[in-house]
Amino acid sequence: DAGVIQSPRHEVTEMGQEVTLRCKPISGHDYLFWYRQTMMRGLELLIYFNNNVPIDDSGMPEDRFSAKMPNASFSTLKIQPSEPRDSAVYFCAGKRELNTEAFFGQGTRLTVV
Amino acid sequence: QKEVEQNSGPLSVPEGAIASLNCTYSDRGSQSFFWYRQYSGKSPELIMSIYSNGDKEDGRFTAQLNKASQYVSLLIRDSQPSDSATYLCAVNSNNQGGKLIFGQGTELSVKP
Repeated sequence: DAGVIQSPRHEVTEMGQEVTLRCKPISGHDYLFWYRQTMMRGLELLIYFNNNVPIDDSGMPEDRFSAKMPNASFSTLKIQPSEPRDSAVYFCAGKRELNTEAFFGQGTRLTVV
Repeated sequence: QKEVEQNSGPLSVPEGAIASLNCTYSDRGSQSFFWYRQYSGKSPELIMSIYSNGDKEDGRFTAQLNKASQYVSLLIRDSQPSDSATYLCAVNSNNQGGKLIFGQGTELSVKP
């Protein structure tokens, strides 16, 4: 298995532009998490899905952020419009069952200028 | 109160010493606990999982869990410079539908 695949690895965009981050989880992993990591705030949970259904989006910072999981093999995190304070590393992670460990993708480093 | 708390460090230990990393959590319904290691510029990687009270050993690593005190720790014996990284404690909450919450991480530096 190739592991959790995220794209792009790096994204530089101008303030106000729409940004879409993508994630392909490991097959058979029923849970999918989106995290954001910054030096100041650490690893923050934004939203997570179980069997493609959003369970908790209380970590999504603003309405500018949205996430979808149209099927078991694909998820997106969209920021529209982007702002400089959105600059961070965004991780996608997945786990097989309720109490199992999660595996992370390589992350997307987003820079908004 | 944060859901998962760790000392941010940095924690500095000499090579060959024991490094002790600590974590507390607030949700008593938590059932599974994990330690991840993250090197600078990389993604977190799992190093230990623990589900029951007591100790769990894997090579130079020992995880300790005390659910009554809501406390998890990680001991690294014979610390090596290659162990220098940020260590993240993660807690899985059954009460919150499998939500996986991370602490802020503790930066460990092992000096040769």
